[in-house]
Amino acid sequence: GENVEQHPSTLSVQEGDSAVIKCTYSDSASNYFPWYKQELGKRPQLIIDIRSNVGEKKDQRIAVTLNKTAKHFSLHITETQPEDSAVYFCAATTNNAGNMLTFGGGTRLMVKP
Amino acid sequence: DAGVIQSPRHEVTEMGQEVTLRCKPISGHNSLFWYRQTMMRGLELLIYFNNNVPIDDSGMPEDRFSAKMPNASFSTLKIQPSEPRDSAVYFCASTSRWNTEAFFGQGTRLTVV
Repeated sequence: GENVEQHPSTLSVQEGDSAVIKCTYSDSASNYFPWYKQELGKRPQLIIDIRSNVGEKKDQRIAVTLNKTAKHFSLHITETQPEDSAVYFCAATTNNAGNMLTFGGGTRLMVKP
Repeated sequence: DAGVIQSPRHEVTEMGQEVTLRCKPISGHNSLFWYRQTMMRGLELLIYFNNNVPIDDSGMPEDRFSAKMPNASFSTLKIQPSEPRDSAVYFCASTSRWNTEAFFGQGTRLTVV
C-alpha cells in the first residue's frame, strides 16, 4: 500500500518568513495530493490540493508543487503569520482507492511574532 | 449541512469496558473513513466504507475493534474490551463521489483509564 513520509516534524519560523514542508510517497499510481491544516483541538481541514496532471498550484500565500518522477510534493507558505501556526498533514491517494487518504506524519509549524 | 457529526465529543471509560463511537456523514456522501490520531502514530486510517460496504479494514488494530455502517447516514466504531493504549482522538470523515475532499468530524477524544 501507499506510504507517505513528511519532513520536518517541527518547523519554527519568524513571522513574515517562508515555510516549506516536504512529502514523499511510494505508490506511483497515486494521483491526488491534498494538504490539511489542523489547529489545536480542531479537526483537519483541507487547505489546498494538487492532482498528478499539474506541477504547481497556488492559492494566495500557499502553493503546492509536485514532482511525479521523484514522487515528492511540497507545501510552500509565504509571508507567514501567527495564525498559520498549526499542524499540517500531507496525504496521497488514487482515484481507484476511493479517496482513501494515506497521511504523512504531520509537521508542527510555529510562527513567532 | 451541519457537516460530519460525531458523538460523543469526549469519552472516559475504564479498562475492559465497551466503547461505541458514532458518526453521521454529510448527506449524499458515499465514502466514510474512521481515523485514529495519536502523538506517536499521527493519523492512521482504521477502516473505509464505500456505499455502506467495508472496503478496507486493514488498519483496524485487532479484533477488539469493529465498525459497522448499517445505512448511508450512520456508522459506529466499537472497541470491546477497551485498553489504555486505545486512548486517542478518533475522527470520522466522509467524501462524495464527485469531490475528493475529505470532510472530518470534530472527533471523539477517548480516554481509557
